[in-house]
Amino acid sequence: AQSVTQLDSQVPVFEEAPVELRCNYSSSVSVYLFWYVQYPNQGLQLLLKYLSGSTLVKGINGFEAEFNKSQTSFHLRKPSVHISDTAEYFCAAHSGGYQKVTFGTGTKLQVIP
Amino acid sequence: SQTIHQWPATLVQPVGSPLSLECTVEGTSNPNLYWYRQAAGRGLQLLFYSVGIGQISSEVPQNLSASRPQDRQFILSSKKLLLSDSGFYLCAWSVRGGSETQYFGPGTRLLVL
Repeated sequence: AQSVTQLDSQVPVFEEAPVELRCNYSSSVSVYLFWYVQYPNQGLQLLLKYLSGSTLVKGINGFEAEFNKSQTSFHLRKPSVHISDTAEYFCAAHSGGYQKVTFGTGTKLQVIP
Repeated sequence: SQTIHQWPATLVQPVGSPLSLECTVEGTSNPNLYWYRQAAGRGLQLLFYSVGIGQISSEVPQNLSASRPQDRQFILSSKKLLLSDSGFYLCAWSVRGGSETQYFGPGTRLLVL
């Protein structure tokens, strides 16, 4: 069975500072990895995904994530955050052969002016 | 392009009343469909998923049920709501046989009093 862990429930960061949101997964088979963002009272939007190939994945809004197989991690990074990045971020994983996706418990990013 | 609709957007219901939430997808055929629930502090919980008309898999035993009467229609129901059913309900779809990238609807906020 696969699982996704987001250890940080909340991350406060000052505007224009860099941020890293951590995500670790466990899976005995190859895995697809995703980051979603949720703004208040809205559904989730796809930020980026790793399916295969280059381990550094670039997404929307200046975010990127790096797939690290040896550390089973898929951390999300942004070099300089904006107020508009304040939202909740979810990491997710899908292993081939399963219909469902496993989500982490989410990390609330609060950008401080 | 594909779009996903959910209604109603918000709903306030008394304990013991019935529930029906509807989700429809446009612009795609044979999607996988999902119902998730977000409760305060509990992340994203998969409730049901469906790979075809009349095919429903339940992830969590509860007083909710789901049905898929048409290819692009997914309905979440309850005969008698509980206080614990309050939350934010999200419908999502994915391409069958693909990477399981999830595309979410705008959500329904349910408050059971």
